[in-house]
Amino acid sequence: GENVEQHPSTLSVQEGDSAVIKCTYSDSASNYFPWYKQELGKGPQLIIDIRSNVGEKKDQRIAVTLNKTAKHFSLHITETQPEDSAVYFCAATLTSGTYKYIFGTGTRLKVLA
Amino acid sequence: DSGVTQTPKHLITATGQRVTLRCSPRSGDLSVYWYQQSLDQGLQFLIQYYNGEERAKGNILERFSAQQFPDLHSELNLSSLELGDSALYFCASSPPAGGRNEQFFGPGTRLTVL
Repeated sequence: GENVEQHPSTLSVQEGDSAVIKCTYSDSASNYFPWYKQELGKGPQLIIDIRSNVGEKKDQRIAVTLNKTAKHFSLHITETQPEDSAVYFCAATLTSGTYKYIFGTGTRLKVLA
Repeated sequence: DSGVTQTPKHLITATGQRVTLRCSPRSGDLSVYWYQQSLDQGLQFLIQYYNGEERAKGNILERFSAQQFPDLHSELNLSSLELGDSALYFCASSPPAGGRNEQFFGPGTRLTVL
């Protein structure tokens, strides 16, 4: 069935270093890939997304890359700051039909000051 | 603030009881999704409604049901509650079909079953 694998489950980096989180999806029909940040006690917040007709997208310190052939997509955070500490979720979905998201299991990112 | 509201914020109840969680989507959004997030777990899709009609079902137990009303708010009903139903329940809404399909999440309802 539909599945999204996410790695690593936890990640600690020094402030200023880069962080990379990777996801693999199983449904080759998926064509929309959002990333969410969830801070403690809050709902997930969309931080960046990418569609299957694009290989890379950047927004300030955050970038997402997509390899459709390998069914991989990754989140890159550069110049990490303590406020980047949170749980990050990737998801895969279709832009037609139900639009339901299949989420990865999450990555707990800790940025050490 | 995503524009999605959920009530109540916290709910504590006993096993065997029934509760109702409420969600109001962003203005203009027709789709409502419900997700369950257990401790240290990811987000599990439960059910989706679009403009009042059920659109998709995920891993939703038979003891759970939902509906979307004409004013587009949605309710998730959980009955015969078990300890394992303790979790965060999120609803999300998204714009009408054909637009961007990002989902906007509410702040969640934390359910504790004792």
